[in-house]
Amino acid sequence: TQLLEQSPQFLSIQEGENLTVYCNSSSVFSSLQWYRQEPGEGPVLLVTVVTGGEVKKLKRLTFQFGDARKDSSLHITAAQTGDTGLYLCAGARQAGTALIFGKGTTLSVSS
Amino acid sequence: ETGVTQSPTHLIKTRGQQVTLRCSSQSGHNTVSWYQQALGQGPQFIFQYYREEENGRGNFPPRFSGLQFPNYSSELNVNALELDDSALYLCASSPEPGLGETQYFGPGTRLLVL
Repeated sequence: TQLLEQSPQFLSIQEGENLTVYCNSSSVFSSLQWYRQEPGEGPVLLVTVVTGGEVKKLKRLTFQFGDARKDSSLHITAAQTGDTGLYLCAGARQAGTALIFGKGTTLSVSS
Repeated sequence: ETGVTQSPTHLIKTRGQQVTLRCSSQSGHNTVSWYQQALGQGPQFIFQYYREEENGRGNFPPRFSGLQFPNYSSELNVNALELDDSALYLCASSPEPGLGETQYFGPGTRLLVL
């Protein structure tokens, strides 16, 4: 059983479209992180959210942590081809415990 | 650029062999974590080392072992390789211990076991 479920698994869109990817769990997390991983590279941290209901913006990316700290979403406005990659969410059940990763959402943005 | 490097980039081994993967952390980072990422999966935590001592371990058998050295380098050793060990192996360094802390990943070593 996957502790962190990400959806959709694959997403293929045109440049300029908006999209949202989700990270859901039945468990509470002390924090959630979002990473982007490109082929041949390791994951790169985009954001960490720690407070229930927290919303963080990073240029065209908006991250939200659910009120109950069981889920998170990543919204991309006006997607660009450079947004293509594997988006991973990862959570820590408690501070000081290992990060648990979801399987990721593979995003493909075409021009 | 994260400053975390790994070697080799690719490796092919046969079942039953042993392998050593290497990682060089960012300068000043005392903590290194190793992850296994199978195709189509997210990274799975193997273990973490802090100041040359193991500081937490995931659900991996004892044939997965590690070492951390004072010069910010570390190793992942896997004995008695199995076909299912084929994966991308990632190391990640962080300035502080604590398994949920912000980590900086290297590009990974892709291991293929035949």
